[in-house]
Amino acid sequence: KQEVTQIPAALSVPEGENLVLNCSFTDSAIYNLQWFRQDPGKGLTSLLLIQSSQREQTSGRLNASLDKSSGRSTLYIAASQPGDSATYLCAVRQRAGGTSYGKLTFGQGTILTVHP
Amino acid sequence: KAGVTQTPRYLIKTRGQQVTLSCSPISGHRSVSWYQQTPGQGLQFLFEYFSETQRNKGNFPGRFSGRQFSNSRSEMNVSTLELGDSALYLCASSSGQTTSMNTEAFFGQGTRLTVV
Repeated sequence: KQEVTQIPAALSVPEGENLVLNCSFTDSAIYNLQWFRQDPGKGLTSLLLIQSSQREQTSGRLNASLDKSSGRSTLYIAASQPGDSATYLCAVRQRAGGTSYGKLTFGQGTILTVHP
Repeated sequence: KAGVTQTPRYLIKTRGQQVTLSCSPISGHRSVSWYQQTPGQGLQFLFEYFSETQRNKGNFPGRFSGRQFSNSRSEMNVSTLELGDSALYLCASSSGQTTSMNTEAFFGQGTRLTVV
C-alpha cells in the first residue's frame, strides 16, 4: 500500500527566505508526482507535475525534483513571499495494475507561513 | 478553458438525510475522481469514474456512491448522513486515458458539507 509522508508538518519563515519542502513515498511504481497548493477552505491548485521519467520541473520561483528510486521529492520555493502562505500537498499517481487508475495518494501536507 | 466546477459550494444537512454533490470536469476530460478531506484524515480517495464506469474505489462504506453521465459530469451521493461525514468533498478531473496516465489532475473548489 502506497504511503506518502511530508516533512515538516509546519514551517514558518521570514519573507525572502528560500525553503525546501519534502515528500517521500514508499512504492516507487508511480506514473507521476504532483505538488498542490491549498488555501484555507479552498480547493487544490496544481503547482507542478513531474512524470516518473523526469528529474525536475520548474515554474517561476518553484522547482520540484523527483528521485523515484529513493522515493523522494522536494519542492524548492525561492525568495518566499507572504502570498506563498498556504498548505502544500504532494500526491503520487500509482502505476500498479488495474485497480489503481486515477487514484492519487496524498501526503498530510506542510503548512507554510511566510511572515513579512 | 473552464475549470472544474463543483456545486453546491456549501451544504448543511441533518443526520439521516441524504445528499447529492455535482462535479463538471474540464471539457474533454473523461475521468472524475472524488476525495474527502477532513482535518484528522487528510485527503482520502472515494472513487473514480471513467466513461460512465466506476474504475476504482476507496475504502468507504456503501452509503457513499456515485455515477457519471455521458457528458462526463459526475454526481456523488451520500445516504443516511452521519456527523462524521462532515468534510470538504473535492473532485478531480483528468484525461484518464490508460495510455496517457502521466496527465495532470485538476481540482474543483470543493463542496463543504456540514452534518448537524
